[in-house]
Amino acid sequence: KQEVTQIPAALSVPEGENLVLNCSFTDSAIYNLQWFRQDPGKGLTSLLLIQSSQREQTSGRLNASLDKSSGRSTLYIAASQPGDSATYLCAVRRGGQGGSEKLVFGKGTKLTVNP
Amino acid sequence: DGGITQSPKYLFRKEGQNVTLSCEQNLNHDAMYWYRQDPGQGLRLIYYSQIVNDFQKGDIAEGYSVSREKKESFPLTVTSAQKNPTAFYLCASSTDREDYEQYFGPGTRLTVT
Repeated sequence: KQEVTQIPAALSVPEGENLVLNCSFTDSAIYNLQWFRQDPGKGLTSLLLIQSSQREQTSGRLNASLDKSSGRSTLYIAASQPGDSATYLCAVRRGGQGGSEKLVFGKGTKLTVNP
Repeated sequence: DGGITQSPKYLFRKEGQNVTLSCEQNLNHDAMYWYRQDPGQGLRLIYYSQIVNDFQKGDIAEGYSVSREKKESFPLTVTSAQKNPTAFYLCASSTDREDYEQYFGPGTRLTVT
């Protein structure tokens, strides 16, 4: 059974700092991995999606990497801003027939960027 | 604007009543999903549908029911059999491209007293 873990559960940093959020998964047979952002009381916003054949994806100040063999992904946020404060979730899609439609989520890392 | 709408944003019900949560998408996606989110537990899959008139149970389907009569709509009914219905409910749909990227609605917060 696939399990996804995000550590730390909460992180507080000063504005301008570069930071890394971690995601680990137990079964390396994944189809892809997706990073989301969730603001309090809101739905999830997709940030980046990495296919199993890719090593990283970039969007603006965000860079996500994937190491399937070690079961890890990181989300790097450059020059953090107070507007980046949110909960960040990662989710993996199981590979193989019949499983590619489901995502398994981590519990998220709550990020606070202090002005 | 293309997207996923959920209504209402907040819903209050008395224990023992069934309640239906609405989810509509205009993204032309075949697949749609319902998740439940509780503090400290992350998102858990309730039901999903890959095509009209077909749906499958997720990890926590007991006490819930769904229908998929139209491609755009995937309503979720929380029945009186659901023991702990108070939660934040999220609807999602995914692309038909090979990446199956998921997009989420704004959520409905259900409170049952």
